[in-house]
Amino acid sequence: QVQLQESGPGLVKPSETLSLTCTVSGGSMNSDYWNWIRQPPGKGLEWVGFIYYSGNTNYNPSLKSRVTISLDTSKNQFSLRLRSVTAADTAIYFCASGSGWLPDSWGQGTLVTVSS
Amino acid sequence: EIVLTQSPGTLSLSPGERATLSCRASQSVTNDYLAWFQQRPGQAPRLLIYGATSRATGVPDRFSGRGTGTDFTLSISRLEPEDFAVYYCQQSSYSPLTFGGGTRVEIK
Repeated sequence: QVQLQESGPGLVKPSETLSLTCTVSGGSMNSDYWNWIRQPPGKGLEWVGFIYYSGNTNYNPSLKSRVTISLDTSKNQFSLRLRSVTAADTAIYFCASGSGWLPDSWGQGTLVTVSS
Repeated sequence: EIVLTQSPGTLSLSPGERATLSCRASQSVTNDYLAWFQQRPGQAPRLLIYGATSRATGVPDRFSGRGTGTDFTLSISRLEPEDFAVYYCQQSSYSPLTFGGGTRVEIK
């Protein structure tokens, strides 16, 4: 099973862009679905979107206008960009992967706080 | 969007007791693409059950999943101390992927 590790700034200012990277080890990125899922502190899980190894993407309609997920197989990484953030985007962001739509391997998560 | 409603919100039980958690979908989850995750404090969710009834690798057999269509159940036959956690159901039949609101299993 692959291992996943999120990285990126822990603090982002309102209206700016949140950028996170997930580094994949222990397996190839030339298959599978690569997801971002978030969890506001003390609350439930929300799927943000995924990118398939072919480059096709699928986003949650609630975030679609602000989200971009991209893939860099040469670096074994995939990334999340979320534009025009507000306090409501404060959450633990998890990257996760799966051979189908089910995200069965998860990173440990990284907390991103939106605050000035 | 498929809405998943979990009940109860909190389950207070003692170690050794049986836990039964419910997940109801707003429309049929095709091919039973329904999963259950366990989340302990400060940890990422861990896959327990997929395809409504199949245990993930390494999951003890005290965990079992049942159901089809719109009604699904996760049972834990005898609660161990490490089982006290939050449990989420999740569907992968339709986009967007969705999660239930969670059931917290706490020590009574």
